[in-house]
Amino acid sequence: GAVVSQHPSRVICKSGTSVKIECRSLDFQATTMFWYRQFPKQSLMLMATSNEGSKATYEQGVEKDKFLINHASLTLSTLTVTSAHPEDSSFYICSALRWTSSESYEQYFGPGTRLTVT
Amino acid sequence: GIQVEQSPPDLILQEGANSTLRCNFSDSVNNLQWFHQNPWGQLINLFYIPSGTKQNGRLSATTVATERYSLLYISSSQTTDSGVYFCAVDPKETSGSRLTFGEGTQLTVNP
Repeated sequence: GAVVSQHPSRVICKSGTSVKIECRSLDFQATTMFWYRQFPKQSLMLMATSNEGSKATYEQGVEKDKFLINHASLTLSTLTVTSAHPEDSSFYICSALRWTSSESYEQYFGPGTRLTVT
Repeated sequence: GIQVEQSPPDLILQEGANSTLRCNFSDSVNNLQWFHQNPWGQLINLFYIPSGTKQNGRLSATTVATERYSLLYISSSQTTDSGVYFCAVDPKETSGSRLTFGEGTQLTVNP
């Protein structure tokens, strides 16, 4: 159990275009999902928290108008990189929160999306 | 914010060797998870362990919450254990179930 999928796994786009990445929890409902960014040989950096039915919460320094997040259902969150530029090239990873009790939870991660902007 | 330090940053082992990875954190935590990121980038959940000790096959983990550290033990390592091991914590002082990741330990197991 606790499987999270991400699509696409790899995308190449031209500078100035927009790209949408989907994150789905396949066997559990997730009111909260997270979007991370990872540069080569570095750790994961949290970009935003996605809450079902409400606006996303962005971390300091992350442009909300550039990285649009929509969490329209209990199993799907999307990240749209708008007007992409080469510096947006990165590995984007989503996670979904699954509560295991009233006080404890685990995050489960998707396989990631490698974005290359040319 | 909370600081998460992992050591060593890099570790090279021969197949069959044992190893210990360490995670130090600067504040009390609600959640601590260990992950393995495989060479394709997928993060795999190893342990949810805000305190105590757990074992799963060749892997085990111990968190001493009062002293703010966690250890991940890998015994009889195999080449498939290669990858990056991350510790991630959710500090008690903040809400939102957000994890802060350490910088990771890059493990290479040679045949």
